[in-house]
Amino acid sequence: KQEVTQIPAALSVPEGENLVLNCSFTDSAIYNLQWFRQDPGKGLTSLLLIQSSQREQTSGRLNASLDKSSGRSTLYIAASQPGDSATYLCAVGSNFGNEKLTFGTGTRLTIIP
Amino acid sequence: KAGVTQTPRYLIKTRGQQVTLSCSPISGHRSVSWYQQTPGQGLQFLFEYFSETQRNKGNFPGRFSGRQFSNSRSEMNVSTLELGDSALYLCASSFGSGANVLTFGAGSRLTVL
Repeated sequence: KQEVTQIPAALSVPEGENLVLNCSFTDSAIYNLQWFRQDPGKGLTSLLLIQSSQREQTSGRLNASLDKSSGRSTLYIAASQPGDSATYLCAVGSNFGNEKLTFGTGTRLTIIP
Repeated sequence: KAGVTQTPRYLIKTRGQQVTLSCSPISGHRSVSWYQQTPGQGLQFLFEYFSETQRNKGNFPGRFSGRQFSNSRSEMNVSTLELGDSALYLCASSFGSGANVLTFGAGSRLTVL
């Protein structure tokens, strides 16, 4: 059974700093991995999706890496802004052919102005 | 382009009652997945429907059920509600290719008293 863990559960950093969020998974036989953000009272917004054959994906100030063999992914946020404050979730897709995702526990990020 | 629409957004029920939640996917999407989000368990997969057929199911009791209509709209039903069913219920739609490119709705917040 796939288990996904995110550490830390909460993180506060001053505006402008670069930061890294961590995600680990127990079964390396994954199809892909995604990072989502969730704002209070809202649904999930997909940020980056990394296929199992890829090592990283970049979108603007965000960079996500994937190391399947060690069961780890990181989300790097450069030059953080108050608008980045949200809960960040990683999710693993383990099988092609269905849309089931296994989510991590999330990291609540607060950017201090 | 309209997003994923979930109704109702908020509802309050008492123990023993039943509830039906609705999800209208993005036009053209044939897959609808449902997730339960609680502070203690995080986001957990309930089930996925594709072309009116349940394609995958999570580890939830039989009180949780769902269906999908020919227009891809989906409903989930929870019977004999328990206090522990209080949660944010999220649905997500996709083309259903298995690529895990999901668009989430804003969720239905259920409170069981």
